[in-house]
Amino acid sequence: SQQGEEDPQALSIQEGENATMNCSYKTSINNLQWYRQNSGRGLVHLILIRSNEREKHSGRLRVTLDTSKKSSSLLITASRAADTASYFCAGETSGSRLTFGEGTQLTVNP
Amino acid sequence: GAVVSQHPSRVICKSGTSVKIECRSLDFQATTMFWYRQFPKQSLMLMATSNEGSKATYEQGVEKDKFLINHASLTLSTLTVTSAHPEDSSFYICSARGSGGAYNEQFFGPGTRLTVL
Repeated sequence: SQQGEEDPQALSIQEGENATMNCSYKTSINNLQWYRQNSGRGLVHLILIRSNEREKHSGRLRVTLDTSKKSSSLLITASRAADTASYFCAGETSGSRLTFGEGTQLTVNP
Repeated sequence: GAVVSQHPSRVICKSGTSVKIECRSLDFQATTMFWYRQFPKQSLMLMATSNEGSKATYEQGVEKDKFLINHASLTLSTLTVTSAHPEDSSFYICSARGSGGAYNEQFFGPGTRLTVL
């Protein structure tokens, strides 16, 4: 399978806490992207980190990339109930093809 | 960001019929469009990549005669599920990518939920 792996598969936290999700991939990538998906809806692009970058920030999001370990992490700080969703990583390879991880279902309890 | 629409958002059909799903880029020219399938509580699986004016490239295991893709213009790609069966019931999502600048990333449509009875 070309699918990446994400852990945890499910994460439940309280509002205000930080949420960390991890992603591993199998092939060389040009960049790694994180997406959010609310139940039954389309994907929302959150952040992109290039293969030559190690860390990137965007608002309450912090992404790291370790190409030697073929892994990435997404940290959401000061979580809110509205952050409840599924989060997917996706590695981009040649031809702009995206290979998605299995996803983490995040639940933020108010 | 750019807007990609899909139509219909939801479709229910009888087994054996064909269903066409449209994917449109509303404010940019999409040189490449991608079609994904997502089963409940699973991730997105790339089905095929289509470039405007040329034949689609299908991923391994995806039947090109069953899932017909037409990318006839720079703003429209269609996916036709032919002779649909219950196992084709899924959430189909398209994405579109421009040829540079702000539209070099993929923008995703809202998805189409197909239910085959």
